[in-house]
Amino acid sequence: LAKTTQPISMDSYEGQEVNITCSHNNIATNDYITWYQQFPSQGPRFIIQGYKTKVTNEVASLFIPADRKSSTLSLPRVSLSDTAVYYCLVGDSGGGATNKLIFGTGTLLAVQP
Amino acid sequence: EPEVTQTPSHQVTQMGQEVILRCVPISNHLYFYWYRQILGQKVEFLVSFYNNEISEKSEIFDDQFSVERPDGSNFTLKIRSTKLEDSAMYFCASSLLAGPYNEQFFGPGTRLTVL
Repeated sequence: LAKTTQPISMDSYEGQEVNITCSHNNIATNDYITWYQQFPSQGPRFIIQGYKTKVTNEVASLFIPADRKSSTLSLPRVSLSDTAVYYCLVGDSGGGATNKLIFGTGTLLAVQP
Repeated sequence: EPEVTQTPSHQVTQMGQEVILRCVPISNHLYFYWYRQILGQKVEFLVSFYNNEISEKSEIFDDQFSVERPDGSNFTLKIRSTKLEDSAMYFCASSLLAGPYNEQFFGPGTRLTVL
């Protein structure tokens, strides 16, 4: 499984765009990149997933460069309620692959008023 | 929107006692998981379950742990003889399809406190 590296914490203000970058130098050909969000005392929640280029949904955008060795989660115009831990996960795929999610320490995003 | 539910939200027990944590996965999901998170630490995978059997387990999931799907809706985690270090938040999750690239839906968790 590819190891991921992301900042331990980030600070932002309401209304700003936040970009959280994750490094995954050893990503394999079949790996997807997935981001989860976790609020205090709650279970993680899926945000977005991608394989390459750009993916956008109603919550966030995910930018993946051509070499796929990193990815950037972009949160537009954050609010106080976006304060949470954000996890970057890289999982292998294919027949017989593991189903488990491997969480790192994540990035604690603190949004200030 | 369908969601995973867990009961109880908080369980306090004495060391050496058995506890059963209960989960109701999303009804049409086929894959079920338990994770735990010790306070201030990472979310850790415990076990995955499919077709009424364990498909994968971690080193944490030793003989003291067991899982069961006793009926068509519940999914349980049993700890036979709790230890102090079992104190953690336990999350149940479910997914429709296999593979870590398929969204896993997590429940709100059960906070287990072992005294």
